[in-house]
Amino acid sequence: SQQGEEDPQALSIQEGENATMNCSYKTSINNLQWYRQNSGRGLVHLILIRSNEREKHSGRLRVTLDTSKKSSSLLITASRAADTASYFCAASNDYKLSFGAGTTVTVRA
Amino acid sequence: EAEVAQSPRYKITEKSQAVAFWCDPISGHATLYWYRQILGQGPELLVQFQDESVVDDSQLPKDRFSAERLKGVDSTLKIQPAELGDSAMYLCASGRTGSYGYTFGSGTRLTVV
Repeated sequence: SQQGEEDPQALSIQEGENATMNCSYKTSINNLQWYRQNSGRGLVHLILIRSNEREKHSGRLRVTLDTSKKSSSLLITASRAADTASYFCAASNDYKLSFGAGTTVTVRA
Repeated sequence: EAEVAQSPRYKITEKSQAVAFWCDPISGHATLYWYRQILGQGPELLVQFQDESVVDDSQLPKDRFSAERLKGVDSTLKIQPAELGDSAMYLCASGRTGSYGYTFGSGTRLTVV
């Protein structure tokens, strides 16, 4: 069974717009991680936020974490065509990494 | 940049046959995961190693799947016999102990016919 759920399942935006996706998880965590997957490829680690952190930035990525609601969000600002991919959150507890079903993002030129 | 190597990249096998996948993690990474990803879904954990020891294999169908990580370095995942429902992407990931991200290989796409 999967630990997390992403919302929305799919997102289509225009180049230059921001993309926001949400993740909910079920159990306590040490950290929460976000990964990107291009079609048919492996996952690429984007950003990690620890359970005692509330917000983290990396380039055009902004991640928030609310442990009281067991939820996280990923914001991609000024999207580009190359951001077209599936995005997964992964809840980490005692080094067990459990993924959600992902959000598919399509960036239109 | 260091990579997690997986082979083969693609595998087509007939049902009831045996199939094996290989993973070479990044040097020094104690944690190694095998995941199965069905098209359109998120990765599901099959087995987790810490060095050569299995930490979690609760989701591994042990009647047909086996995994080993001899000497705590590279790892092999085997399916015998393969079933049509095993068609999926098999992903290997490795990482350091602690709160760090993990590096994934490119995966093995298995098709059982």
